[in-house]
Amino acid sequence: DIQLTQSPSFLSASVGDRVTITCRASQGISTYLAWYQQKPGKAPNLLIFAASTLQSGVPSRFSGSGSGTEFTLTISSLQPEDFATYYCHQVKTYPRTFGQGTKVEIK
Amino acid sequence: QVQLVQSGAEVKKPGASVKVSCRVTGYTVTRYFMHWVRQAPGQSLEWMGTFNPPSGGKYYAQKFQGRVSMTRDTSTNTFYMELNSLKSEDTAVYYCAREISGMDYWGQGTLVTVSS
Repeated sequence: DIQLTQSPSFLSASVGDRVTITCRASQGISTYLAWYQQKPGKAPNLLIFAASTLQSGVPSRFSGSGSGTEFTLTISSLQPEDFATYYCHQVKTYPRTFGQGTKVEIK
Repeated sequence: QVQLVQSGAEVKKPGASVKVSCRVTGYTVTRYFMHWVRQAPGQSLEWMGTFNPPSGGKYYAQKFQGRVSMTRDTSTNTFYMELNSLKSEDTAVYYCAREISGMDYWGQGTLVTVSS
């Protein structure tokens, strides 16, 4: 199984900050990676697919990059509505796997 | 407009079975892959399996092999996930999610509580 390891697990930041979350895969997955945002009590929301393609309707302050085994999700200027938990997810192979999550909280 | 609407919360005893439905509107269930993902309280997302509508094929996580069944009813545009031999560790929110290049539409989630 492909393991996905996110770092950090927890991040404290202020409105306006630039935030970067890393996801490392235990083996190469090309660009078969997606990122989701989840708020308490809600289903996850797709932000990025194919490692760097912004899902329709997602603000342009979100961006993704990487290929192979290392990927990043960047929020260029953190907004109040961005405080949430973020997950990476590989869609290269079965079983599909998710990272353990990164919780972004207000400093 | 695409919507995935799941059945309501369930409370089950250990050893029982639960069947969660996911009714789709806005597209036909003969098209895109449908995944089932669960999330235990305070935990990450856990992929359970996939239903491949064009082929009817199913891929289950090894952890759930022999205990899970995923089906589809084309007459009602509904997917189903049944989990048997429930344990307390199966207490979680269960989601259905459509996949194209990522899981772009999700159901609202169904809380399944397993308790004696």
